[in-house]
Amino acid sequence: EVQLVQSGAEVKKSGESLKISCNGSGYRFTSYWIGWVRQMPGKGLEWMGFISPGDSDATYSPSFQGQVTISADRSISTAYLQWSSLKASDTAIYYCARRGNDDYYSIAYWGQGTLVTVSS
Amino acid sequence: QSALTQPASVSGSPGQSITISCTGTSSDVGSYNLVSWYQQDPGKAPKLMIYEGSKRPSGVSNRFSGSKSGNSASLTISGLQAEDEADYYCCSYAGGSTWVFGGGTKLTV
Repeated sequence: EVQLVQSGAEVKKSGESLKISCNGSGYRFTSYWIGWVRQMPGKGLEWMGFISPGDSDATYSPSFQGQVTISADRSISTAYLQWSSLKASDTAIYYCARRGNDDYYSIAYWGQGTLVTVSS
Repeated sequence: QSALTQPASVSGSPGQSITISCTGTSSDVGSYNLVSWYQQDPGKAPKLMIYEGSKRPSGVSNRFSGSKSGNSASLTISGLQAEDEADYYCCSYAGGSTWVFGGGTKLTV
């Protein structure tokens, strides 16, 4: 069974750094891209970017380019989303997501979400 | 890269059919038949309902169907049930290894 298990909720202050994780299991980690999706409080879904764990090539949505870093560690089947300096506006739920087995362009599997709260 | 446009809310009675529209541009919806639809219950992760415009994943009811015309896509739910009440999001591949979501539609049954 494919599972994406994310790290727990975080409470941080503006200016702090943060790295959240997403562990994939039940499949070959290097064969499927992992993406990240933001959902701000009471708002919709936003595509942030994705990584191909096989070659660690990351691509970002223009809105998030330079704001976050997506990485992966193949040895432990884990993808990461990190910030070097958090802002209050980064407060949101962040979901990791994986494409379907036969479909490259949709998200068939989702993590449970990680709530990040940033206080000013 | 702007979000796809969806109605903020739609409503219907049990047994009825509703359609949720999703309008993009010639750079996303219009260029690719790669629209997917997601259902999100409060406090839960989204669930894939339709992919590649009109395909249903295994386990999704055939009451859900998708279509596309030009720069717009649609999700139709027939035989509405109370359990269908949720937020629905469309998403389109937009080229250059990026995707764009719609703003979401709250369905009230």
